[in-house]
Amino acid sequence: DTAVSQTPKYLVTQMGNDKSIKCEQNLGHDTMYWYKQDSKKFLKIMFSYNNKELIINETVPNRFSPKSPDKAHLNLHINSLELGDSAVYFCASSRTRNPLEQYFGPGTRLTVT
Amino acid sequence: QKEVEQDPGPLSVPEGAIVSLNCTYSNSAFQYFMWYRQYSRKGPELLMYTYSSGNKEDGRFTAQVDKSSKYISLFIRDSQPSDSATYLCAMSHTGNQFYFGTGTSLTVIP
Repeated sequence: DTAVSQTPKYLVTQMGNDKSIKCEQNLGHDTMYWYKQDSKKFLKIMFSYNNKELIINETVPNRFSPKSPDKAHLNLHINSLELGDSAVYFCASSRTRNPLEQYFGPGTRLTVT
Repeated sequence: QKEVEQDPGPLSVPEGAIVSLNCTYSNSAFQYFMWYRQYSRKGPELLMYTYSSGNKEDGRFTAQVDKSSKYISLFIRDSQPSDSATYLCAMSHTGNQFYFGTGTSLTVIP
């Protein structure tokens, strides 16, 4: 059973398109996160939700909008995709707000052409 | 200047060697220090963490924190080919938000 799952695993799209990445966790965790990992492996937090409420919102372009329909899901919608958005996006979840307990999903590799 | 600096490597060692991985940081308020292991095409997984200064040992892995030098290390004894991965350090001052290094790629050659 996959604890944190993401779809799709790979996403290739053209500049200017709008795309969504979905994340689901079956661990019963209260907190979920989105991270971006660039080509140099630098992992940076983008958003964090606790019980469907936004608690961390790092400086990311407002083309990125997270949506949490329920505690088990945190989706990432990206408008007007740019070349610089190409990266691996990781979803993670933790039982409490303590990221020490977080489990990461397998990642979604986004390529913008 | 990035909050956390980590030599990206790559680092290649023979099986059985002792591996030393290091990170430096600039924010003296950091209190939580973590090491993650990331296999190719997978998400990071927490390997070890320490709070404040000192050492922590878990099997073949030892984490050290030197707050006076703003320097942390991860040592891997008797390295195995299965240790081949990227190792990311991460730090936090609140415990709520982490700052990651860029990761060091390690290959252990049989």
